Amino acid sequence: GAVVSQHPSRVICKSGTSVKIECRSLDFQATTMFWYRQFPKQSLMLMATSNEGSKATYEQGVEKDKFLINHASLTLSTLTVTSAHPEDSSFYICSASEDRGRGGYTFGSGTRLTVV
Amino acid sequence: GENVEQHPSTLSVQEGDSAVIKCTYSDSASNYFPWYKQELGKRPQLIIDIRSNVGEKKDQRIAVTLNKTAKHFSLHITETQPEDSAVYFCASRAGGFKTIFGAGTRLFVKA
Repeated sequence: GAVVSQHPSRVICKSGTSVKIECRSLDFQATTMFWYRQFPKQSLMLMATSNEGSKATYEQGVEKDKFLINHASLTLSTLTVTSAHPEDSSFYICSASEDRGRGGYTFGSGTRLTVV
Repeated sequence: GENVEQHPSTLSVQEGDSAVIKCTYSDSASNYFPWYKQELGKRPQLIIDIRSNVGEKKDQRIAVTLNKTAKHFSLHITETQPEDSAVYFCASRAGGFKTIFGAGTRLFVKA
């Protein structure tokens, strides 16, 4: 089945620094990947849709200059949290579909970001 | 905008009993309804899905029903086991890729 790898699984960074999170589809090509944020005991909130070879589509209220998304290849999308603040601490998770979006999505293992 | 409501937020059942989780969606163009199970600290996993041209789908102890008229869909788990304990998310998707998730249901199965 489809496998999505996300790295790193945990990261602690200082306020003001930037953190890059990678999401890879290991055995399929994904023209579209999604980035979600999940707060403790809450649902998955879609942040943005990452499109290979074009600009990402951000959801309302998500700062595109804060959360930079790059989808340079059919198997890799990256999310960079710039100038991180403690309120950016959260669980970030990506997903992709091997079925051109017709089926369910496979999620990465998630990245727990802690900004100190 | 699009919205998916999910109930209950918490559900506690005795092992062997059935569990039912209900969702309502707002976008009448929605045509795909997946359900995900998320165990503590792990990624969500697709457990079953249903498309708008089908009213019911079953996979062993798990079944999903869809009422397009009422914009309701439900997850049914029979003969629950302790390993069914997790958070379950319903979701809906219209013609594009964007998937909207419900708030989640924390299911506890007591042995």
